[in-house]
Amino acid sequence: NAGVTQTPKFQVLKTGQSMTLQCAQDMNHNSMYWYRQDPGMGLRLIYYSASEGTTDKGEVPNGYNVSRLNKREFSLRLESAAPSQTSVYFCASSEAWTPGDKWGEQFFGPGTRLTVL
Amino acid sequence: ELKVEQNPLFLSMQEGKNYTIYCNYSTTSDRLYWYRQDPGKSLESLFVLLSNGAVKQEGRLMASLDTKARLSTLHITAAVHDLSATYFCAVDMKYGGSQGNLIFGKGTKLSVKP
Repeated sequence: NAGVTQTPKFQVLKTGQSMTLQCAQDMNHNSMYWYRQDPGMGLRLIYYSASEGTTDKGEVPNGYNVSRLNKREFSLRLESAAPSQTSVYFCASSEAWTPGDKWGEQFFGPGTRLTVL
Repeated sequence: ELKVEQNPLFLSMQEGKNYTIYCNYSTTSDRLYWYRQDPGKSLESLFVLLSNGAVKQEGRLMASLDTKARLSTLHITAAVHDLSATYFCAVDMKYGGSQGNLIFGKGTKLSVKP
């Protein structure tokens, strides 16, 4: 099991460029999430997908769009990158719908370090 | 709006000492998670606390949850250098169910020195 994988690992963009961050999980989880991590800010939820076919805004959705392509894949798109979007982006997945002693535990990918110049 | 506050944000400890990290949150929730992050790495799940009074232990770390006080603690016993990392608590926004919307604290950066 690879768990949660993300591509690319690093990316440098110029202001106004667009790009898509890819995420895939092989744990058969229903729910997937995109976070950004900035120094001193912890992690903040950008968008989430509670189940295949649904997506919802999190705490900081402005400037981003998402697509839940299928149960395994959840992508994050920056249509017109801005320097304020320089951050480390983490994708996560969980089996949020099944109560148990690990209910809602999220598993994180390795992250994408994005710099916008 | 759910807010999650950790303290301290920075902690420098000597090996062999004990210490506690605190995680307070502002609204009712019954699910709290602790994660560890090493520099430049991803987040690793440490503990899942799902009810009032829950206590989990793994090695030198013990986590507890008091939902009435809206407080979780992460206790470190006899610290060793390998525990140096940043520790995050995260609280599920939805009480009595789960959508997985976690609100994270800002993290506690722990440094254990010889």
